[in-house]
Amino acid sequence: EAQVTQNPRYLITVTGKKLTVTCSQNMNHEYMSWYRQDPGLGLRQIYYSMNVEVTDKGDVPEGYKVSRKEKRNFPLILESPSPNQTSLYFCASREGTGKDYGYTFGSGTRLTVV
Amino acid sequence: GENVEQHPSTLSVQEGDSAVIKCTYSDSASNYFPWYKQELGKRPQLIIDIRSNVGEKKDQRIAVTLNKTAKHFSLHITETQPEDSAVYFCAARTSGYSTLTFGKGTMLLVSP
Repeated sequence: EAQVTQNPRYLITVTGKKLTVTCSQNMNHEYMSWYRQDPGLGLRQIYYSMNVEVTDKGDVPEGYKVSRKEKRNFPLILESPSPNQTSLYFCASREGTGKDYGYTFGSGTRLTVV
Repeated sequence: GENVEQHPSTLSVQEGDSAVIKCTYSDSASNYFPWYKQELGKRPQLIIDIRSNVGEKKDQRIAVTLNKTAKHFSLHITETQPEDSAVYFCAARTSGYSTLTFGKGTMLLVSP
């Protein structure tokens, strides 16, 4: 089944403790992206990647890192999480960088930083 | 960069009524406009999309219209049903860029 898999689904952590949210897709998609969803603010892009070893900042990149060492994986790293990073996170992927196809989203990761 | 405004933020209708959600975009170079539906606790899912060379697209009870001159596009849902209750997001992609910019979402409530 074609899908985007995120882990974990739920995470509670303490301020300053490094964490990684994993994202993997099995559709051989070139483009992957991370969004955070907050009430009243919609979906805001954190980082995106157009292919292996090619990443770029989205609208709200502060406090986050990403890497794209292989095509299928695009982990989101919070080096020193803070409470304002409490949010619902979605990974998404789509085919190609110049094509008009919709995203496939992962199931989401609800992160709470205390 | 692109800016997408979406209205209304909440929309309540009776079952069987029509619902219309409107979005405006700022970048005249945008050429791809998808709509996503997010049910409570679920991931956003693509329900319909339209490209800038088309003015209207229909899929059963849902339709999307695009007015490039005015830089706005709308989602129309006819004969609404309780299972249409969800948050709907519009988005726009600018030609030459890969990123989608989303509106803030509309919570649609369909009462039986």
